[in-house]
This record gives sequence, C-alpha cells and structure tokens, in this order.
Amino acid sequence: GAGVSQSPSNKVTEKGKDVELRCDPISGHTALYWYRQSLGQGLEFLIYFQGNSAPDKSGLPSDRFSAERTGGSVSTLTIQRTQQEDSAVYLCASSPSGLAGVLSTSADTQYFGPGTRLTVL
Amino acid sequence: AQTVTQSQPEMSVQEAETVTLSCTYDTSESDYYLFWYKQPPSRQMILVIRQEAYKQQNATENRFSVNFQKAAKSFSLKISDSQLGDAAMYFCAYRSDGDYKLSFGAGTTVTVRA
Repeated sequence: GAGVSQSPSNKVTEKGKDVELRCDPISGHTALYWYRQSLGQGLEFLIYFQGNSAPDKSGLPSDRFSAERTGGSVSTLTIQRTQQEDSAVYLCASSPSGLAGVLSTSADTQYFGPGTRLTVL
Repeated sequence: AQTVTQSQPEMSVQEAETVTLSCTYDTSESDYYLFWYKQPPSRQMILVIRQEAYKQQNATENRFSVNFQKAAKSFSLKISDSQLGDAAMYFCAYRSDGDYKLSFGAGTTVTVRA
C-alpha cells in the first residue's frame, strides 16, 4: 500500500468492553510501532515489533493491553475491559527496519498511520 | 529516559512570514536522531525533517530548516514563507542510536493567519 493504514478510524465503546485496533504497515517494512496520544499530550510509546516478535512491551500501560503481529505485516492492538482513561488516539507507525543502517541512514524513519480515535463511555 | 521539551504550546504567524518553534532535549547519549513531525487535523503524522546528531550541518527541507545546537541540546524548527497549509501541531522527537522508539515533546500548535 501507499502508506500505513489503520482501522477503524473511530471507535466508541462502553466501559468494560474489549476492542481491537488494526494496523496495516507499509509493504516491506519489518518494524512496526504502536503509540498512544492522549488529549493534549504528546505521543507515548506502547510497543515495538521487529517482524512478528515484540522485543519491547514495556510501554504497554497494563495487562489489559496486548498486541500481536502476524506474517510480519498486520498488527492488532487489543484492549480488554476498557476503561475511560483508555480514551485516546492510537497511532501505528512502520519503518523499513528498526535501526538506522550504514547504507541507509533513514531506514529507521517511522511513517505513521492516521490513527484510531478510541472513546470509552 | 530522554526528555523532550517544547515550551511553546501555541504559535501564530502571518502568512508568508517566518516562525520558529523551539525544542530542547535531555540526553547523556552522543549519537542520536532528532525529528520534527507535523500533525494536521487529519491526525496523520507527517515527517517534516530529520537531523543526525553526528552531522554538524543543519538539515533543510524546502521552507523548513532546523537550528541544531548539540552542546545546548536545542533543536529548533524554522518555517519560512508560512502557508495556510502549514497550520498543524508540530512535534519534536528524539531517538537514541541503537534504540527504536521515539520520545516526543508535548507539541506546538501553529496557526497561520491569512
């Protein structure tokens, strides 16, 4: 695809429900990232994937949050038993690789999707 | 942990004029990367400019340029000949060499007056 896509664009759910947010990275990008942007705040890192592996899950705010990536492509962020404080924009990004390389110093540049706005009532 | 500070919550500029957004960061690393991202109301984060810390020359992309002061840990963005389409929130971001995650500032909202 031309860019990173995310679905749904907007999601309204009731407190206590589970939600799944989807991210389709740019084709061929091995690295994938999830960030959260709460109202009036900057972006907060959640999780990073290199291929299908998530070497760093330290940003996930609680055990209600989980993410997976299959086939080195699509990723799903799942929030169980949603709470009102989970309301935010969830942004996904991808990059050709996770780290800058000698031959391609921009290989780590992260390209973002349009995000999913989650509202928990 | 790295801290990125954007001290200007909002900036306003007249069309065709120049505006400078400030960003400072705190790090003990010597090798790192700095970025400015633009986020219009569509929410799509768009990379504006990138600077490698080992490069002394300031990065430039068309009307966008940076003033990178490594010793002062300062990384300001200058938007020249401002256009209505430049109106957005601008985020400064830091990434340590060997790391993968970006640390973002709180953002600066830029308004362009016609």
